[in-house]
Amino acid sequence: AQKITQTQPGMFVQEKEAVTLDCTYDTSDPSYGLFWYKQPSSGEMIFLIYQGSYDQQNATEGRYSLNFQKARKSANLVISASQLGDSAMYFCAMRLSGSARQLTFGSGTQLTVLP
Amino acid sequence: NAGVTQTPKFRILKIGQSMTLQCTQDMNHNYMYWYRQDPGMGLKLIYYSVGAGITDKGEVPNGYNVSRSTTEDFPLRLELAAPSQTSVYFCASSYSSSDTRAGGRGQPQHFGDGTRLSIL
Repeated sequence: AQKITQTQPGMFVQEKEAVTLDCTYDTSDPSYGLFWYKQPSSGEMIFLIYQGSYDQQNATEGRYSLNFQKARKSANLVISASQLGDSAMYFCAMRLSGSARQLTFGSGTQLTVLP
Repeated sequence: NAGVTQTPKFRILKIGQSMTLQCTQDMNHNYMYWYRQDPGMGLKLIYYSVGAGITDKGEVPNGYNVSRSTTEDFPLRLELAAPSQTSVYFCASSYSSSDTRAGGRGQPQHFGDGTRLSIL
């Protein structure tokens, strides 16, 4: 069975600095996708970035990048130049191929950006 | 562009009552999902559907039922509310893997804003 582990319940970062949120995963399926979602205090789930298991390059979306280390089964989210609006809960999730594309979520990391 | 719409946003139920959480999407997605999020936790899959008339259980289906009579709608039914069902419920939808409309970026699931449900 697949599993997502986020070992940092809470993280603090100074405004304008970069921060890395950790995510490790476990699956024996060679084809999978990894997602990061942001959940602000208002509660909605906002898609940030995606990495496919066969993608040769690390994904980037604006200030978000994904440090994908396949051999270590890690998919860490890097947020550059943190902003106060980045304060939120961040979830890592995995989707296996050949399934109904449902997601398995980690327990999340609460990021607080300090002014 | 409405996306995924959930109603109600908030609800308080008494133990033993029943209710239906509504979910509708206007993106013509084949796949739809229901998740629950307990305080401080990630989302867990309750039920999912790959198309009208087809539903299947997820990780935590006990105490819930679903139906999918149309592509757009995927209601979640609680028959006998219990305190353990106090949670935030999210509905989501996505393209199927074979859908050519999906484009790139991993075809992520699109989420509604959630229904906060308390059982007292």
